[in-house]
Amino acid sequence: GAGVSQSPSNKVTEKGKDVELRCDPISGHTALYWYRQSLGQGLEFLIYFQGNSAPDKSGLPSDRFSAERTGGSVSTLTIQRTQQEDSAVYLCASSLSIRGLVSNYGYTFGSGTRLTVV
Amino acid sequence: DAKTTQPTSMDCAEGRAANLPCNHSTISGNEYVYWYRQIHSQGPQYIIHGLKNNETNEMASLIITEDRKSSTLILPHATLRDTAVYYCIGTSGGGADGLTFGKGTHLIIQP
Repeated sequence: GAGVSQSPSNKVTEKGKDVELRCDPISGHTALYWYRQSLGQGLEFLIYFQGNSAPDKSGLPSDRFSAERTGGSVSTLTIQRTQQEDSAVYLCASSLSIRGLVSNYGYTFGSGTRLTVV
Repeated sequence: DAKTTQPTSMDCAEGRAANLPCNHSTISGNEYVYWYRQIHSQGPQYIIHGLKNNETNEMASLIITEDRKSSTLILPHATLRDTAVYYCIGTSGGGADGLTFGKGTHLIIQP
């Protein structure tokens, strides 16, 4: 597709359940990021994938959070044993990343998945 | 990423130019100035970026001072749809920690 696609757009889950959020980046974009945005707050970096390199997981808030990126394309963010504080909009972004040069087009964000833990 | 400072909020009349300032006095020589905006309930949208020279595209113009310590994003003819939070970011590129989004400026376009 033309943009970054995220699914589902909305997810309501019960506390303690696991959830999977999906991100389909722009074809050919080697860099993929996950961010989290709580209500009224700024964006919080979670994890970064670059090509086939090991991901940078330094932003993940706890070991209940994990992410993978299969074949350098689609990525899934998994939250195990969800808690109410996990409620937020989860945003995915992708970009061209050319060996440290800044992409001329910046990052393209998806519309996000609004997660509500009840 | 460089630390940036922006006003919390600004108003602008519809049809007028909106000038959004950003202070980035500690920006280093290889860091670009990027601007994004986030309209309510949407993901952030790339607007423009620059290093030293002023830049213009179909969305906006970016004026960077000669000492690179500050910049101004200009929306030449603001419309109601330009109401959004605007983020100024200083970065050397798509690094491992991504872009650092601060609080941004909430621009409200008044009819």
